[in-house]
Amino acid sequence: QQQVKQSPQSLIVQKGGISIINCAYENTAFDYFPWYQQFPGKGPALLIAIRPDVSEKKEGRFTISFNKSAKQFSLHIMDSQPGDSATYFCAASGNAGNMLTFGGGTRLMVKP
Amino acid sequence: GAVVSQHPSWVICKSGTSVKIECRSLDFQATTMFWYRQFPKQSLMLMATSNEGSKATYEQGVEKDKFLINHASLTLSTLTVTSAHPEDSSFYICSAPDRAKTGELFFGEGSRLTVL
Repeated sequence: QQQVKQSPQSLIVQKGGISIINCAYENTAFDYFPWYQQFPGKGPALLIAIRPDVSEKKEGRFTISFNKSAKQFSLHIMDSQPGDSATYFCAASGNAGNMLTFGGGTRLMVKP
Repeated sequence: GAVVSQHPSWVICKSGTSVKIECRSLDFQATTMFWYRQFPKQSLMLMATSNEGSKATYEQGVEKDKFLINHASLTLSTLTVTSAHPEDSSFYICSAPDRAKTGELFFGEGSRLTVL
């Protein structure tokens, strides 16, 4: 079963544009929602994470928006750069440090 | 940040042989480690949870006898793919939470297994 659904599967954005990736979850026991960035042949690296007690978290060019009632959260990458081209995964768990359930991934390409 | 190291980063083996992959937490202790498998252009799928000093917990559909997990110390977990076949070719990634701090999960760089 797919407990975390991610869209779109792929995304092309012009340099300087905003990249938006969306995720929806089903399990109401989830209370930790991280986003990971993965480059080819590498392990995922944590970008930013949020808990349900806040609706938005911003770190640099990366922002998570969280809608608890809709069970949805999204990643916004402002001023997208070619170096941001990677695969992005949303994830969810019952607590930080517990096993993560990953979304299907979004392959982002930022064109110069 | 905390570092999780995997070895080897890539391995090629013949069908029928066994391959061991190591996962080490370099600057923190991890009583739990998670093993994921990732096929090309797909997401990470949890295979098992490795528990220091006790048996691993496997996800549904993962063969315990084929994917042997040993968590012998607070900094080392190993995954052994026994009697490997071409369909076992994949990217295996481990992760460990640094529970002493934020509990954030740190991922290793992954191990690419190719079975001929």
